[in-house]
Amino acid sequence: AQKITQTQPGMFVQEKEAVTLDCTYDTSDPSYGLFWYKQPSSGEMIFLIYQGSYDQQNATEGRYSLNFQKARKSANLVISASQLGDSAMYFCAMREGNNAGNMLTFGGGTRLMVKP
Amino acid sequence: EPEVTQTPSHQVTQMGQEVILRCVPISNHLYFYWYRQILGQKVEFLVSFYNNEISEKSEIFDDQFSVERPDGSNFTLKIRSTKLEDSAMYFCASRVPRDRGQVNEQFFGPGTRLTVL
Repeated sequence: AQKITQTQPGMFVQEKEAVTLDCTYDTSDPSYGLFWYKQPSSGEMIFLIYQGSYDQQNATEGRYSLNFQKARKSANLVISASQLGDSAMYFCAMREGNNAGNMLTFGGGTRLMVKP
Repeated sequence: EPEVTQTPSHQVTQMGQEVILRCVPISNHLYFYWYRQILGQKVEFLVSFYNNEISEKSEIFDDQFSVERPDGSNFTLKIRSTKLEDSAMYFCASRVPRDRGQVNEQFFGPGTRLTVL
């Protein structure tokens, strides 16, 4: 089974509107962390936001927020007031608490395209 | 702001040749990682490295791969005999030790695009 699933290969959003990128995860470890990274066309991976499994509140970082629904095992990224510069690939990733190297497992990504 | 750097940005090699990809992690980071991303696919974990030894590796990281921290700053990935399917973007990442209450995200370098002909 896939540990991280991103069901939207591509998404369009109108500039200045909000958009939600879906991410579901699968783990039996009670301690885990969920990350979102942005990958623009230049290729680098940019950290956006983090949600810990024990965090009581949804994470927010500027225009980014994470809609964390633990019972559903989902960690959707919400981008408010989309900008043209938000056009990129977005990857959801998970770090499970017991892996010694604390490696990240990535989903397949969602390509977001912001329309002017 | 400190950042992870990688060289070269693009490497082209012939099948069967050895390549060494270089990374300079952020100076106070202690955990180091290599990931790869085949064109159009997801990012895949290769190996993690801590305290001068491998702490975890994936099934992709077979005997053709090795990592080394030859000095206090560089972290290298060597592929002994490249195959066509090794063509990918290779990312180095690093992070600080995990502390309670901190995010401890991995900071990624810009990547090295490896093309095996």
